[in-house]
Amino acid sequence: NAGVTQTPKFQVLKTGQSMTLQCAQDMNHNSMYWYRQDPGMGLRLIYYSASEGTTDKGEVPNGYNVSRLNKREFSLRLESAAPSQTSVYFCAILGLDRYQPQHFGDGTRLSIL
Amino acid sequence: QKEVEQNSGPLSVPEGAIASLNCTYSDRGSQSFFWYRQYSGKSPELIMSIYSNGDKEDGRFTAQLNKASQYVSLLIRDSQPSDSATYLCAVTFYGQNFVFGPGTRLSVLP
Repeated sequence: NAGVTQTPKFQVLKTGQSMTLQCAQDMNHNSMYWYRQDPGMGLRLIYYSASEGTTDKGEVPNGYNVSRLNKREFSLRLESAAPSQTSVYFCAILGLDRYQPQHFGDGTRLSIL
Repeated sequence: QKEVEQNSGPLSVPEGAIASLNCTYSDRGSQSFFWYRQYSGKSPELIMSIYSNGDKEDGRFTAQLNKASQYVSLLIRDSQPSDSATYLCAVTFYGQNFVFGPGTRLSVLP
């Protein structure tokens, strides 16, 4: 999706390994979000950042850390991956206009064995 | 806990029929409402937004909002097989606290 780039697109990890999911945007939006999507569960918010230098927990933050490196980049880190973290992870962005929708990246499909 | 509920699927309709997707939300303060379409293995893409009570039409899609009943719906006229996807309802208060429903899977049968 134009404007929001997620890397990697696919990843397989072993239990206990760590990794960082990257999200970068070129739309100069303030707010960035990390969601996970599991079958039948919809999108669940992990963490979000309303502006550079700020981060807040969402609905399911346990086992994750985030870093808003600058206005463009928002990363999600799994310090010690667990099979329960197998999911599809989406990054989303939102501009200042309070009536705007969120726009999503293509997602990262993560499997933890 | 703010909640968004959608009619459970899967919903199957024949090609050319009207598909009706429903969504209810718990937060009376919600101001912006969105419908996303998500194809299997893809990310959600915005198809409709609505902010005021009433109907909003865009091509074959019509969104309907009733804030008093805390209800928003999406009608797809002349449904096509390419409309087969999962439809997500999203609700927010002025850009804060986006809450997504679990989605309704729609199948349009040729």
